[in-house]
Amino acid sequence: ETGVTQTPRHLVMGMTNKKSLKCEQHLGHNAMYWYKQSAKKPLELMFVYSLEERVENNSVPSRFSPECPNSSHLFLHLHTLQPEDSALYLCASSRTGQLDTQYFGPGTRLTVL
Amino acid sequence: EDQVTQSPEALRLQEGESSSLNCSYTVSGLRGLFWYRQDPGKGPEFLFTLYSAGEEKEKERLKATLTKKESFLHITAPKPEDSATYLCAVNYGGSQGNLIFGKGTKLSVKP
Repeated sequence: ETGVTQTPRHLVMGMTNKKSLKCEQHLGHNAMYWYKQSAKKPLELMFVYSLEERVENNSVPSRFSPECPNSSHLFLHLHTLQPEDSALYLCASSRTGQLDTQYFGPGTRLTVL
Repeated sequence: EDQVTQSPEALRLQEGESSSLNCSYTVSGLRGLFWYRQDPGKGPEFLFTLYSAGEEKEKERLKATLTKKESFLHITAPKPEDSATYLCAVNYGGSQGNLIFGKGTKLSVKP
């Protein structure tokens, strides 16, 4: 349960705000991920980092900006978001890449007003 | 076009009433199939990974099976605490793999 932590757990922001989501993994993994989960939709992969290098960016709008300073930490910087960006943002990690089992954090529930 | 389809979308069971959830996939080059459990407001919790047709894995009241086109999650004598959304994910193709999720099955078990 505490292998992957995320802060904050809840965030309400206006469309002109700038905020950041933080993820930390304590599993000794080398790959980290950001996902978006909206109601009635499958999890959408946003970004993949392997050994601190971004290896995938699935056409995510530039208002989302990831940062991976080391293999244990991952950030998602948010600016000028839209109401449709309201969702549960999940961080995950795996031992190496996407072929390995991913372990998820509890998520950040984001509401954009 | 859905590549991973879970059915049913929602399932209501009485405590002790066994049933199965389905995950069908149309991808080629399956590298692995994953089952997760997700409680409301929480992140998915890993349950099983299956790699080849015929493989089975069990954990308490749950048993996952895999064929060439689908996977089943069998729930034997469920309890109310088994209520959750169960997610299926498929990893396929490429050297890095591609992981895609189904929409999930919401299971409710009534006492």
